Amino acid sequence: SAVISQKPSRDICQRGTSLTIQCQVDSQVTMMFWYRQQPGQSLTLIATANQGSEATYESGFVIDKFPISRPNLTFSTLTVSNMSPEDSSIYLCSVYRTGGENEQFFGPGTRLTVL
Amino acid sequence: QQQVKQSPQSLIVQKGGISIINCAYENTAFDYFPWYQQFPGKGPALLIAIRPDVSEKKEGRFTISFNKSAKQFSLHIMDSQPGDSATYFCASRPNQKVTFGIGTKLQVIP
Repeated sequence: SAVISQKPSRDICQRGTSLTIQCQVDSQVTMMFWYRQQPGQSLTLIATANQGSEATYESGFVIDKFPISRPNLTFSTLTVSNMSPEDSSIYLCSVYRTGGENEQFFGPGTRLTVL
Repeated sequence: QQQVKQSPQSLIVQKGGISIINCAYENTAFDYFPWYQQFPGKGPALLIAIRPDVSEKKEGRFTISFNKSAKQFSLHIMDSQPGDSATYFCASRPNQKVTFGIGTKLQVIP
């Protein structure tokens, strides 16, 4: 399995501000993903982050709102910009590890509340 | 468009009983069908997964049954325990990006 840590684990933010979430993996991985999970809901993919290239965003998500960095093979950040209460969610980092069953692992999540 | 349809959304089972969660998929290109277990405040954890070339996979008390012709798969939890109380997500993927079902909140009561 992959050990994934996220910072912060939770935060309460004011409307209009931005928050950067960090994701650290214990080994090098090619593909990292950012998901959003709204309260009581399923997981929705925001974007795929590959090292050395621009992140690829899913329909409904844009770079200006969710800029992503991927400076190396073990780290990524997701910024939630100009936040509104609708951005209150759990944000999850995920990695895809090749080999074996090619499994996908998730971090513990960052619980964001926007007031 | 939901590519993986999961039911029921909530389930209450007596301790020792069998919990059954069903999923149906649409895209025949999907080639990997994992189930994730999520406890409150935690990220989803891979529980068990199956590929379409087998009809059943069992790991301990957890079994996936797969029906390729019907494009359906299900999770069976035998001898359900209160510690199994969690939200379960079925998923599938045609590539590295996993598509999740809506989730089933399972409560196992003593």
